Amino acid sequence: EVQLVESGGGVVRPGGSLRLSCAASGFTFDDYGMSWVRQGPGKGLEWVSNINWNGGSTGYADSVKGRFTISRDNAKNSLYLQMNSLRAEDTAFYFCARGTVVGDYWGQGTLVTVSS
Amino acid sequence: EIVLTQSPGTLSLSPGEGVTLSCRASQRVRSNYLAWYQQKPGQAPRLLIYGASYRATGIPDRFSGSGSGTDFTLTISRLEPDDFRVYYCQQYGSPPYTFGQGTKLEIK
Repeated sequence: EVQLVESGGGVVRPGGSLRLSCAASGFTFDDYGMSWVRQGPGKGLEWVSNINWNGGSTGYADSVKGRFTISRDNAKNSLYLQMNSLRAEDTAFYFCARGTVVGDYWGQGTLVTVSS
Repeated sequence: EIVLTQSPGTLSLSPGEGVTLSCRASQRVRSNYLAWYQQKPGQAPRLLIYGASYRATGIPDRFSGSGSGTDFTLTISRLEPDDFRVYYCQQYGSPPYTFGQGTKLEIK
């Protein structure tokens, strides 16, 4: 069974940093690209970033470019999102999804709240 | 950036009825790379359709997708109680891979 479990969310002050993790199981992790998608409270979905199978190619939404960094460790079956210079508008549930452009499996999400 | 507009915003229907949801793109979606997701509040999205018309693994044939270019639809026949959720379309032909704002199905 495919499982994706996010962690690392929490409350952080504007300008602060957080690192999200996504632990994958139930499939061959390095066969797949991965993505992060976020959803503000009561809002729609926003694609944030993606990474190919070996980390050699990454993409970012303009809203996070230069502040967020996606990475992966295939030996640990894990996906990461380093978030720096956080803003109030980054407050959202962050989901990891299997796939570079279409998410066929998603985790349950981790909540990031940016507030002073 | 391709803007996706879904209509209507909310639909009130009864179990057993059929429904067609619309997703219109501001420009042509390359290779009809259009997906549909279903989401219950507080839960992860579930992939229903990809490539405009291909059902994802395990999705019943009550769900069907169609369309091309800039106009796409998701049709659900014989609504069941568990279908009353929010539906999002997503284009993945051109980055950034944008989503529509969603259509909510509610029980009449």
